[in-house]
Amino acid sequence: NAGVTQTPKFQVLKTGQSMTLQCAQDMNHNSMYWYRQDPGMGLRLIYYSASEGTTDKGEVPNGYNVSRLNKREFSLRLESAAPSQTSVYFCASSEFNRGNSYEQYFGPGTRLTVT
Amino acid sequence: GNSVTQMEGPVTLSEEAFLTINCTYTATGYPSLFWYVQYPGEGLQLLLKATKADDKGSNKGFEATYRKETTSFHLEKGSVQVSDSAVYFCALSDRDGNQFYFGTGTSLTVIP
Repeated sequence: NAGVTQTPKFQVLKTGQSMTLQCAQDMNHNSMYWYRQDPGMGLRLIYYSASEGTTDKGEVPNGYNVSRLNKREFSLRLESAAPSQTSVYFCASSEFNRGNSYEQYFGPGTRLTVT
Repeated sequence: GNSVTQMEGPVTLSEEAFLTINCTYTATGYPSLFWYVQYPGEGLQLLLKATKADDKGSNKGFEATYRKETTSFHLEKGSVQVSDSAVYFCALSDRDGNQFYFGTGTSLTVIP
């Protein structure tokens, strides 16, 4: 059981370049999330998707776009990378139902450096 | 709004010492509470959870009790091992929303 997978594991970009981070889950979860992790700041939510076909902004959406391609896949795009986007990016999924709550399952992360 | 505050680190303990990592929260309604652990170079893994007041979550010798009166969910372990060295995150999930709120993480190093 693969759980949540992310590609690539590492990436170095120059300022202004674009790239897409890929995420897929095989647990048939409705909800998927993108976070960034920076030293001393914990995890901050960038975007999330409560179900296929919907996306919503999180705490730090500026400079990012997302696509919920289907129930399994949720991609994060940086259109014009900036050094401030140097971070570790985590994708997560959960089976959310209003009135209940379920744990999130995380991928292994993508370490992105923008020079 | 919802938020989680956890004890600043880093924490360094000797093997077999007692561990407490404090976590307090602010939330509307009745959130669920979680502890996640992150080992070096890996993603977060669920360690334990509690979904209502007075519930105790436990796993691998770690415990935490959901205290609504003090809005706390402190993580404890009676005897830590070197293999427990990791970063620990407290988190809450809002039942009416679809988001998690994480603390800033507490780094634990256990020395032999």
